[in-house]
Amino acid sequence: DIQMTQSPSTLSASVGDRVTVTCRASQSISNYLAWYQQKPGKAPKLLIYDASTLERGVPSRFSGSGSGTDFTLTITSLHPDDFATYYCQQYNSFFYTFGQGTNLEIK
Amino acid sequence: VQLVQSGAEVKKSGESLRISCKGSGYTFTNYWISWVRQMPGKGLEWMARIDPSDSYIDYSPSFQGHVTISVDKSMSEAYLQWSGLRASDTAMYFCAIHEREGDDAFDMWGQGTMITVSS
Repeated sequence: DIQMTQSPSTLSASVGDRVTVTCRASQSISNYLAWYQQKPGKAPKLLIYDASTLERGVPSRFSGSGSGTDFTLTITSLHPDDFATYYCQQYNSFFYTFGQGTNLEIK
Repeated sequence: VQLVQSGAEVKKSGESLRISCKGSGYTFTNYWISWVRQMPGKGLEWMARIDPSDSYIDYSPSFQGHVTISVDKSMSEAYLQWSGLRASDTAMYFCAIHEREGDDAFDMWGQGTMITVSS
């Protein structure tokens, strides 16, 4: 299986801050990477696919970059609604795997 | 496009269970359906996927042999079932699809079904 390692596990930030979450794959996954946002008790929501393509309807303050093994999710100017848990997911192999999650909390 | 899952369940260890995921607003046989587990306070784990057009299945090695997935095309429903639940099966279970051809990012999810298993 391809292992996905996210960092940090927890991130404390304030409204208006710029934050970055990283995701590293145990082997090259090209650009087959997605980012999701999840709020407690809710289903994940797709934010970015193919490493850098913004899903329709997702605010432009979200962006993704990277290829191969190293990827980042950046949120510029945090809104109150952005405090949630974020997951990366690889789909280079159909044994899909997720990162362990990054909990973005209010400082 | 919508995926609607069956309601929460409370079961005892050893019991059987089947939960469902009903697709609507699209041609059900067009998109693979995956199941994803989320244990309390934990992350997302992909379990298995099924092609509704021919019922071809891929299981994660972590779940193969303990769960069974299937579909009923006539009902536009996918199912996840256990023949002998364990307390460790206590979790939220999501179904999900990816609508873009050649891109397996899950762009539509069910609302989740919470399964609680007591020992």
